[in-house]
Amino acid sequence: ETGVTQTPRHLVMGMTNKKSLKCEQHLGHNAMYWYKQSAKKPLELMFVYSLEERVENNSVPSRFSPECPNSSHLFLHLHTLQPEDSALYLCASSQERFADTQYFGPGTRLTVL
Amino acid sequence: SQQGEEDPQALSIQEGENATMNCSYKTSINNLQWYRQNSGRGLVHLILIRSNEREKHSGRLRVTLDTSKKSSSLLITASRAADTASYFCATDPNQAGTALIFGKGTTLSVSS
Repeated sequence: ETGVTQTPRHLVMGMTNKKSLKCEQHLGHNAMYWYKQSAKKPLELMFVYSLEERVENNSVPSRFSPECPNSSHLFLHLHTLQPEDSALYLCASSQERFADTQYFGPGTRLTVL
Repeated sequence: SQQGEEDPQALSIQEGENATMNCSYKTSINNLQWYRQNSGRGLVHLILIRSNEREKHSGRLRVTLDTSKKSSSLLITASRAADTASYFCATDPNQAGTALIFGKGTTLSVSS
């Protein structure tokens, strides 16, 4: 968890709201990731950015929109979410894309009402 | 289909006992990693074992890898209450440009 921060830590939003999740890594890494973790399911890779360029989408619904303005910051913009989108959203970084070790942030617990 | 499957799904032991978790996977891999997650927190990397290695140690952790059986085990010796967490294996498939694939995890509970 050290080196990767996420804000907010908890978020409750209605289905018509628009909100953003923020991730920042202080490790000098070149790749960043968004994962979704739902109960009883494996981690789902949502997006990968390498050197600020998105390289993998994994068929995530368009109501999730990532943004990577530089190699240290990653955002996940949320709009018109569904209750089934409630989950823990984890950000991670690695030295290079798909490198050996990923470093995770503490996550944002999202509840969609 | 899911690459990594941990077994058991849940494990409860007493402090001082050893805990063994297993991971099975389907395709060939470059390496296999184990991560720990405390309740509602991010994952923490524990140990990585490469496909040409059979055993690796780190403190109280011992990881084995059997590529012929496509399985790995994580042994935590002399467990402590602080070891209570979920443990995930993640495989790095031997396919260019493929990300780590995580299993569903084993939830370990260590009581004092």
